Amino acid sequence: QSVLTQPPSVSGAPGQSVTISCTGSSFGAGYGVHWYQHLSGTAPKLLIYRNYNRPSGVPDRFSGSKSGTSASLAISGLQTEDEGDYYCQSYDSSLSGWVFGGGTKLTVL
Amino acid sequence: EVQLVQSGAEVKKPGESLKISCKASGYSFSGYWIGWVRQMPGKGLEWMGIVYPGDSDTRYSPSFQGQVSISADESIRTAYLQWSSLKASDSGTYYCARHRGGYDDNFDYWGQGTLVTVSS
Repeated sequence: QSVLTQPPSVSGAPGQSVTISCTGSSFGAGYGVHWYQHLSGTAPKLLIYRNYNRPSGVPDRFSGSKSGTSASLAISGLQTEDEGDYYCQSYDSSLSGWVFGGGTKLTVL
Repeated sequence: EVQLVQSGAEVKKPGESLKISCKASGYSFSGYWIGWVRQMPGKGLEWMGIVYPGDSDTRYSPSFQGQVSISADESIRTAYLQWSSLKASDSGTYYCARHRGGYDDNFDYWGQGTLVTVSS
């Protein structure tokens, strides 16, 4: 069981917006959260780093936020190609290592 | 262009040994760590461990300590993940990814993954 908790699934229609949550005690220690997109048959891709920063090339439809022990990934203007799995990731000092959330499957209806 | 190219799919029997590789290009290999991440069939991502090619400093997730060995050869810009005796439960896809090594850092570039199948 992951120390970072994500909902197993979310869904939305094309053009709509969805939010994926990630909760973890490690956030309370001040560690940042990163988000990855993992589309079927491809390597995971860094989507958001250190809570709200987007790497070059990531559309501004993707945004991140963090408050206390919770973080969120928001996706606006859903597209069919957004369908896949999304993971949050942070550092856990009790484990002395990096951890991933359990993942959230996004379905674009 | 930063690239991490992993070795190909493997089919092994329980008890056999295996070493898979991750070759880096397009950046200073000794300036970053390389992490390994497992994805079991139908499951999520799990951090296994990380190695610093500059001095071979290695850290393991408690879940994988003693189960695998992670190493790197700076001269050929390649990191490795190794098993001495595979189990069926080691079946999955293994990804290598670049990391700066700081607590707040992320895995910014990923390899394409190596599928490992362990079956009698």
